Amino acid sequence: ETGVTQSPTHLIKTRGQQVTLRCSSQSGHNTVSWYQQALGQGPQFIFQYYREEENGRGNFPPRFSGLQFPNYSSELNVNALELDDSALYLCASSQAGQGEYEQYFGPGTRLTVT
Amino acid sequence: AQSVAQPEDQVNVAEGNPLTVKCTYSVSGNPYLFWYVQYPNRGLQFLLKYITGDNLVKGSYGFEAEFNKSQTSFHLKKPSALVSDSALYFCAVSAHSNTGKLIFGQGTTLQVKP
Repeated sequence: ETGVTQSPTHLIKTRGQQVTLRCSSQSGHNTVSWYQQALGQGPQFIFQYYREEENGRGNFPPRFSGLQFPNYSSELNVNALELDDSALYLCASSQAGQGEYEQYFGPGTRLTVT
Repeated sequence: AQSVAQPEDQVNVAEGNPLTVKCTYSVSGNPYLFWYVQYPNRGLQFLLKYITGDNLVKGSYGFEAEFNKSQTSFHLKKPSALVSDSALYFCAVSAHSNTGKLIFGQGTTLQVKP
């Protein structure tokens, strides 16, 4: 198991609502990335945070937003939920600038939008 | 545009036999390549990476992968499969940018039968 934790484990929301997912990075890691994994698909990159700023974004609309805190933990916020937002949301942490490159994933948050 | 292809949805192998899970990639510049494994209702676990150096890289749980630049492939291998290796395997490539964005393949389900 990695040291990356995510909460909550599962979440059920109604279309149009807003949701906040949380991630604590592995000790010593300063970078957090978020991915969306739809059923039967590979993870899709949403965005990455480094030093509390967004450091790259995938093809996701602005209603997907995030934050990174001084302790390197992070939040993913999704506004105006749509049915297609139902997926496993994965957080991954890494240490930029150390030449390691691999990302370590948390267990994910399963979001169901009804 | 960068992409990863895993041509097999499922690979079936008998316990004790060697296994290969295929991956090809398309990326501008030198690729950073990764293999991850996902067990049911779990996040992704890092197995191994190729950044530079020897074309044969060794990783966790006895897995290894061979980087072939001319064929743009990075196939995952194991000399002797275990039933416990049964899981979903993802190949990923980094776009070699500051974001460290990982681009994943669709995944290959490995089924090891006793």
